[in-house]
Amino acid sequence: GAVVSQHPSWVICKSGTSVKIECRSLDFQATTMFWYRQFPKQSLMLMATSNEGSKATYEQGVEKDKFLINHASLTLSTLTVTSAHPEDSSFYICSGQGYRGNIHNEQFFGPGTRLTVL
Amino acid sequence: AQTVTQSQPEMSVQEAETVTLSCTYDTSESNYYLFWYKQPPSRQMILVIRQEAYKQQNATENRFSVNFQKAAKSFSLKISDSQLGDTAMYFCAFDNDMRFGAGTRLTVKP
Repeated sequence: GAVVSQHPSWVICKSGTSVKIECRSLDFQATTMFWYRQFPKQSLMLMATSNEGSKATYEQGVEKDKFLINHASLTLSTLTVTSAHPEDSSFYICSGQGYRGNIHNEQFFGPGTRLTVL
Repeated sequence: AQTVTQSQPEMSVQEAETVTLSCTYDTSESNYYLFWYKQPPSRQMILVIRQEAYKQQNATENRFSVNFQKAAKSFSLKISDSQLGDTAMYFCAFDNDMRFGAGTRLTVKP
């Protein structure tokens, strides 16, 4: 399958600071990227969907001013957690979706980023 | 919004035996994709199998197969000849808005 990378894999920051997480599709063009949040022993919760060159669409209850998403190219999307607080500590996962031959709708997931806010 | 329900929080199976994980969903759409993903302790999401709603034939990938009942909106995953490496969280997902079920924690016992 296609490869999606995330950086950093683990980040610890102080409360009030901002953290940027990068998501890159390494061998395909991701026309759509998704950002998820996963709490321990829970499922993935979709935070937002972004299409290259367009503003992200946020799910209900997700603060767009707090979780800034940029999808400036077909291979890179970033999630910035602004003014992070301890309740933002979580596991963040991105995925990319694009066309590879005749296989569409499949998402390729990054390995995730563990954010800890002190 | 579509909902995806996995009613089995945890399951266990003996190595080499067969286990079936359940998933039901709700949608008014006629064409869509359904997925089963595996999340091992590494937390990397891995696609196990995909089913297209307009295809009546159940998808199969080696030891993994699905029982897709479109009218009943049911999409169960059968794992045959279970292996220790199958131990993981399994999530059912509906593609159009990528909703995931709550997950089933599967443990394969030696």
